[in-house]
Amino acid sequence: GENVEQHPSTLSVQEGDSAVIKCTYSDSASNYFPWYKQELGKRPQLIIDIRSNVGEKKDQRIAVTLNKTAKHFSLHITETQPEDSAVYFCAAFFQGAQKLVFGQGTRLTINP
Amino acid sequence: EADIYQTPRYLVIGTGKKITLECSQTMGHDKMYWYQQDPGMELHLIHYSYGVNSTEKGDLSSESTVSRIRTEHFPLTLESARPSHTSQYLCATSGTGESEAFFGQGTRLTVV
Repeated sequence: GENVEQHPSTLSVQEGDSAVIKCTYSDSASNYFPWYKQELGKRPQLIIDIRSNVGEKKDQRIAVTLNKTAKHFSLHITETQPEDSAVYFCAAFFQGAQKLVFGQGTRLTINP
Repeated sequence: EADIYQTPRYLVIGTGKKITLECSQTMGHDKMYWYQQDPGMELHLIHYSYGVNSTEKGDLSSESTVSRIRTEHFPLTLESARPSHTSQYLCATSGTGESEAFFGQGTRLTVV
């Protein structure tokens, strides 16, 4: 079936440290993997995405890695800041159903 | 500016009432989705549509119905609201193929 598993469900790190969130997906035909950030009381918004023709993509302090063989991808945030505190969702585009399927979300807390 | 508009933003309603949550988009997208989300929690897909006159039920069992008579409009109707329907409802759209989803600001529903 269409499934995206996301871990951990909660993550707490010290300001300045790195945070890593991991996702696995069930459809080997998936080729598009976006990540969303949802701040308190706001709508989810895209922060970075990756397609299967690359293994890694970086945008300033955030990076995403993709391992198509293992069917998993990860979000890396370096030099974390208080404004990084939010809920993060991974997603994978499932070819058969032609829709995005979201992971369960990770609540990231940055401790000062 | 292209966007997704949800009305009302907040709604408090009595048990047994019929309600319709509105979602309109100027994104020009074919695909539209409804998600139910408790604050900061998982996004549960309840309905989606590939285009006009196309609607599918999502993963979460829901007592709601949707219609897609026009590309821009994807209303969600609850025939008889119950306290268990208290939640936030997010509307989203995405374009053709493997593309990101864009979210509306949500409707926060409270059934008393």
